[in-house]
Amino acid sequence: AQKVTQAQTEISVVEKEDVTLDCVYETRDTTYYLFWYKQPPSGELVFLIRRNSFDEQNEISGRYSWNFQKSTSSFNFTITASQVVDSAVYFCALSPGNTPLVFGKGTRLSVIA
Amino acid sequence: KAGVTQTPRYLIKTRGQQVTLSCSPISGHRSVSWYQQTPGQGLQFLFEYFSETQRNKGNFPGRFSGRQFSNSRSEMNVSTLELGDSALYLCASSPQTGGSSYNSPLHFGNGTRLTVT
Repeated sequence: AQKVTQAQTEISVVEKEDVTLDCVYETRDTTYYLFWYKQPPSGELVFLIRRNSFDEQNEISGRYSWNFQKSTSSFNFTITASQVVDSAVYFCALSPGNTPLVFGKGTRLSVIA
Repeated sequence: KAGVTQTPRYLIKTRGQQVTLSCSPISGHRSVSWYQQTPGQGLQFLFEYFSETQRNKGNFPGRFSGRQFSNSRSEMNVSTLELGDSALYLCASSPQTGGSSYNSPLHFGNGTRLTVT
C-alpha cells in the first residue's frame, strides 16, 4: 500500500527561524515520484518540487531545500530564515508508478512576526 | 496564461440535492483531476480525465461522477448529497504530453467549497 506520513500536524516558529517539515513515505514500487505542495489560505495547492526515486540529490531553491533519503524513505523540506509569507499548509505527496497522487495529511506552518 | 478556474467558489446545498462543479484547465492542458479535501480525510483523489475519457477513479461511491468536454473543461456531479460531502473540491490540470500525468506537477484551482446542510 502507498502511504505518506507527515507526523507534524502544526508547527509555529518565529520569523527568521529555520524550520524542517518531515515526510515519510511507503511504497513497494521502485519507480515513483515525490512532491511538495503549498496551500496558502486562498485554497489552491502550489507545486514546489518534484523528485523521482532515482535522483537522491538534495536540492536548494532560494530559502527552500529538500533532503531525499531512500534509505529512510524520507523527503524532508527545510525553510531557512522563515518569513510570514511562508505561513501555509504544506503537503508531501507520492506518485507510485502510473497511479494518482497520495497526499500526506499536511503540516500547518505558522510563522509569527 | 490563465490558471485553473473553478466555479462556483462557494455552494450551499441541502441533503438529497445534487450539485455540479465546473473546472476550466490551463489552456493546452488535457488532463484534469479532481480531489476532495476534508479536515478528517485530507486530500483524496476522485477521478482523472484525459481527452474526454475517465482514466482513473478513486474510492468514492457512484454518486460522484464527472465528465470532460472536447475543450478539456470538466465537470463533476454529486447526486443525493449527504452531510459528509461537505468539503473543498479541488480541480487540477496537467500538461501531460505522454506517459502518465501523475508524474507531472499538477496545477490546482482555488477550489469549490461545498457545504451540505
